[in-house]
Amino acid sequence: EPEVTQTPSHQVTQMGQEVILRCVPISNHLYFYWYRQILGQKVEFLVSFYNNEISEKSEIFDDQFSVERPDGSNFTLKIRSTKLEDSAMYFCASSHRFAGREQYFGPGTRLTVT
Amino acid sequence: GQQVMQIPQYQHVQEGEDFTTYCNSSTTLSNIQWYKQRPGGHPVFLIQLVKSGEVKKQKRLTFQFGEAKKNSSLHITATQTTDVGTYFCADSTGTASKLTFGTGTRLQVTL
Repeated sequence: EPEVTQTPSHQVTQMGQEVILRCVPISNHLYFYWYRQILGQKVEFLVSFYNNEISEKSEIFDDQFSVERPDGSNFTLKIRSTKLEDSAMYFCASSHRFAGREQYFGPGTRLTVT
Repeated sequence: GQQVMQIPQYQHVQEGEDFTTYCNSSTTLSNIQWYKQRPGGHPVFLIQLVKSGEVKKQKRLTFQFGEAKKNSSLHITATQTTDVGTYFCADSTGTASKLTFGTGTRLQVTL
């Protein structure tokens, strides 16, 4: 069964450093998302991406964040200058061609900012 | 902004007991999706409800969408240890269908 993959599984970085989180969505999906989950809390929407552009972004997704689909398979989230409060689990998700369908989540990248 | 709350926050049951989590939104829901997240895992889609008053069943799980489309519930009959995890409801809105997750209910099942 196709699945969303994410790398790395765990990233430790120092405050102020740039990080890139990578995702490979399911191949025939057209809608891509990033969510984050601070330990023990709910899952929060960051950004949605469709047709090579951002469809919607949350208040969390400020100028320090960016997303890119550099080729036909990868989908990346970049944080330019990490802060302590960016420590969280980051999930990538993808959805089938029609919006409003279920989203398939990757296993997540645990980001620890020290 | 929209708030989606779930109660209870946590429930501990003995295996075989029933469990219900309730999801309430401050605004009318477009449609409601339910996800399960095992400890240390990622959210996994369970079901989507679209119509007012809709009831769907998956084996021991029963999902309900309120008549006013502002609330939903998930009921598990005769829980098993494999039901352990956090159950989230999520509103799917907009053209790109971002998910607004509820606060979640963590279920612990012991023998």
